[in-house]
Amino acid sequence: GQNIDQPTEMTATEGAIVQINCTYQTSGFNGLFWYQQHAGEAPTFLSYNVLDGLEEKGRFSSFLSRSKGYSYLLLKELQMKDSASYLCAVMDSNYQLIWGAGTKLIIKP
Amino acid sequence: DTEVTQTPKHLVMGMTNKKSLKCEQHMGHRAMYWYKQKAKKPPELMFVYSYEKLSINESVPSRFSPECPNSSLLNLHLHALQPEDSALYLCASSPVVGSGANVLTFGAGSRLTVL
Repeated sequence: GQNIDQPTEMTATEGAIVQINCTYQTSGFNGLFWYQQHAGEAPTFLSYNVLDGLEEKGRFSSFLSRSKGYSYLLLKELQMKDSASYLCAVMDSNYQLIWGAGTKLIIKP
Repeated sequence: DTEVTQTPKHLVMGMTNKKSLKCEQHMGHRAMYWYKQKAKKPPELMFVYSYEKLSINESVPSRFSPECPNSSLLNLHLHALQPEDSALYLCASSPVVGSGANVLTFGAGSRLTVL
């Protein structure tokens, strides 16, 4: 079966750095996405990785290791508005998105 | 225009009602999607339209009926729903289906409550 694992909930402090991990086992791989979703709102796209390595975009970075079936999302200089759920999703060999259950990130002052 | 617009934002309906959810995008995307999302769960794919043709139906009950009148519009017709169908219904679009870097743009969602 296809499976994506990420922690259910994480807590971090405003101004700090947090790393949200995602491991996956899927039928093929055509890229990994990270989406941010605030409570009651729609998911918004953060990043896409298809090759190994780190992609940096402002305060957010995403890393991929295809051989390990592993990705992480790194958030720096945390702000209160970063409190949200972070969804990891993998595109499989049929170009279908397989979603993780999401990580709820709580930012404390 | 980089938005996906969904109406209504909130909908309350009885189990015998017929209602529709509407979605519109003007980004020239040729793929449109309906997802269902329950609280604290990831989105569940319901339907995919590619070039206005239904390409994926994820074994969704017939009380949900999708329609794609043109490349910019997507509807979801609702009839004889059950209370367990209460959820956030998300519309999304992407440039195409079957491409790796296929970023989905989501609408704000329609929150449906079935009494």
